[in-house]
Amino acid sequence: EAGVAQSPRYKIIEKRQSVAFWCNPISGHATLYWYQQILGQGPKLLIQFQNNGVVDDSQLPKDRFSAERLKGVDSTLKIQPAKLEDSAVYLCASSLDPLMAGRSSYNSPLHFGNGTRLTVT
Amino acid sequence: AQTVTQSQPEMSVQEAETVTLSCTYDTSESNYYLFWYKQPPSRQMILVIRQEAYKQQNATENRFSVNFQKAAKSFSLKISDSQLGDTAMYFCAFMKHAFLQGGKLIFGQGTELSVKP
Repeated sequence: EAGVAQSPRYKIIEKRQSVAFWCNPISGHATLYWYQQILGQGPKLLIQFQNNGVVDDSQLPKDRFSAERLKGVDSTLKIQPAKLEDSAVYLCASSLDPLMAGRSSYNSPLHFGNGTRLTVT
Repeated sequence: AQTVTQSQPEMSVQEAETVTLSCTYDTSESNYYLFWYKQPPSRQMILVIRQEAYKQQNATENRFSVNFQKAAKSFSLKISDSQLGDTAMYFCAFMKHAFLQGGKLIFGQGTELSVKP
């Protein structure tokens, strides 16, 4: 099966500019997650979608970050305007069923993409 | 709210030796899962091993095993016969078992493991 696809792989922008990241989850996966991973830290959940509805966006800085998942398939994450502290890797992940995702019968609870490394100068 | 703490920012081990990475967590949930993920420079998050909290037996996957102490909320990873390819960042992660709010992973800060030849 094809994995989680993300683009672009790298992006460099100046502060106050805008940027968008794209994610295409594994086919059939209803749940999609965006994580922010600052250098030297663990990933932090920004937003979780179930189909095209938002389940959790409690840690999304809504004054500058927005995300959508139209039609419940692929998703975009946007930052406008960007700040220096937004420099990070943005990881997208998907899973089949959030209730069962932890069970050992699943190959992996979440399937991750390779991420987009954003540098804000 | 759940938290995951990894107190060892960096570890090193000689090839073929054994190393243990520590992880503690805090939760009021009774039903949850714990994981160790490996992240090489490619940034791909690779599942190493999982533990279902309701299972008392410690999980093992080839050279990887865990020491799960539920009462102490401790979940350490032991890597036996370390190989150069084990060099990576290792993250401990928590997932609660719940519809919708389940599924999301809460990560620790990570431990950078270097395996030396």
